[in-house]
Amino acid sequence: EVQLVESGGGLVQPGRSMKLSCAASGFTFNNYDMAWVCQAPKKGLEWVATISYDGSSTYYRDSVKGRFTISRDNAKSTLYLQMDSLRSEDTATYYCARHSGYGGYLDYWGQGVMVTVSS
Amino acid sequence: DTVLTQSPALAVSPGERVTISCRASESVSTLMHWYQQKPGQQPTLLIYLASNLESGVPARFSGSGSGTDFTLTIDPVEADDTATYYCQQSWNDPTFGAGTKLELK
Repeated sequence: EVQLVESGGGLVQPGRSMKLSCAASGFTFNNYDMAWVCQAPKKGLEWVATISYDGSSTYYRDSVKGRFTISRDNAKSTLYLQMDSLRSEDTATYYCARHSGYGGYLDYWGQGVMVTVSS
Repeated sequence: DTVLTQSPALAVSPGERVTISCRASESVSTLMHWYQQKPGQQPTLLIYLASNLESGVPARFSGSGSGTDFTLTIDPVEADDTATYYCQQSWNDPTFGAGTKLELK
């Protein structure tokens, strides 16, 4: 059974940093691109970042470029999102998701972790 | 970015047929996908590549369309289908529609 379990969320002050983790199991992690998707309270879904299966390529939405870094440790089957210079508008639930092998859709999602940016 | 516009909230009675639309600001071929999100839960994949039913999803769900216009159909609707439905394109950097909230009368 595919499982994605996020951790590392919580309350953080504006301008500070936070690192999210996503532990994957039930599939061969290093065969799949992975993504982070966020959802602000009462709002819709927004793609944040994607990393290729081997970590060689990364892609970001414009609003987080230069502030967020997606990475992975294939030996640990773990995905990360380092978030720096956090802003109040980054407040959201962050989901870890697996990209399908083709087609660009997200076939498995974690339960999400809440990040609140507030003083 | 490719903007996806979804139909507004819908209210239907159990047993009825409902269609949820999604229009893309540019052609995305068939690189359109649909997700269901129930309150307090993570999204789950329903339809991929416009018309392919994800494994384990009831056959009451179906998808159609290509280019810029896409439709998710639920027939018949059941009480458990109360949720918000999102479309997502993968023609370029992923974008999602704003969601269509489906309520049962």
